[in-house]
Amino acid sequence: EPEVTQTPSHQVTQMGQEVILRCVPISNHLYFYWYRQILGQKVEFLVSFYNNEISEKSEIFDDQFSVERPDGSNFTLKIRSTKLEDSAMYFCASSDTSPSSYEQYFGPGTRLTVT
Amino acid sequence: AQRVTQPEKLLSVFKGAPVELKCNYSYSGSPELFWYVQYSRQRLQLLLRHISRESIKGFTADLNKGETSFHLKKPFAQEEDSAMYYCALSGPKAAGNKLTFGGGTRVLVKP
Repeated sequence: EPEVTQTPSHQVTQMGQEVILRCVPISNHLYFYWYRQILGQKVEFLVSFYNNEISEKSEIFDDQFSVERPDGSNFTLKIRSTKLEDSAMYFCASSDTSPSSYEQYFGPGTRLTVT
Repeated sequence: AQRVTQPEKLLSVFKGAPVELKCNYSYSGSPELFWYVQYSRQRLQLLLRHISRESIKGFTADLNKGETSFHLKKPFAQEEDSAMYYCALSGPKAAGNKLTFGGGTRVLVKP
């Protein structure tokens, strides 16, 4: 069964550094999402992406964040200058456009630790 | 604003006992409701959604619009049901809607 994959599984970075989190969505899916979960807190929506543009973003998704689909398979989340509070588990998800199923399929997550 | 509340952080039950996970929501309109599950060291996966009205792994959930609830139930818990369960909400049935999650309930089924 096709799965969403994410790399790396764990990223440690210093405050102020740029990080890029990578995701490979399921191949025939057209909607892509990033969520994050700070330790002990809820899973929070960051951004959704469709047809090569952001379709919705949350208040969390400020100018420090950007998303890109650089080729036909990858979907990336970039944090330009990381802060301590960006430490979290980041989940990528994808979904198709079939009216019978808008289920979002999640990747295993990337744990980002900012020191 | 849309919000999902799961009042119990932890539910501990014995094998064979019934289990009910509470979920209440706030949404101005007709939302889609879901239950996601995360087993140990595995990814988040959809358990069931209210529109399909199906039973998955013995779990059922009924949407009560009057009480704005979507509680998850299973009459006889099994040890393999031990996991983290998240209630989630999205806007009306359409592609690309974001999910709003509750805080999650950890279920521990003891032998």
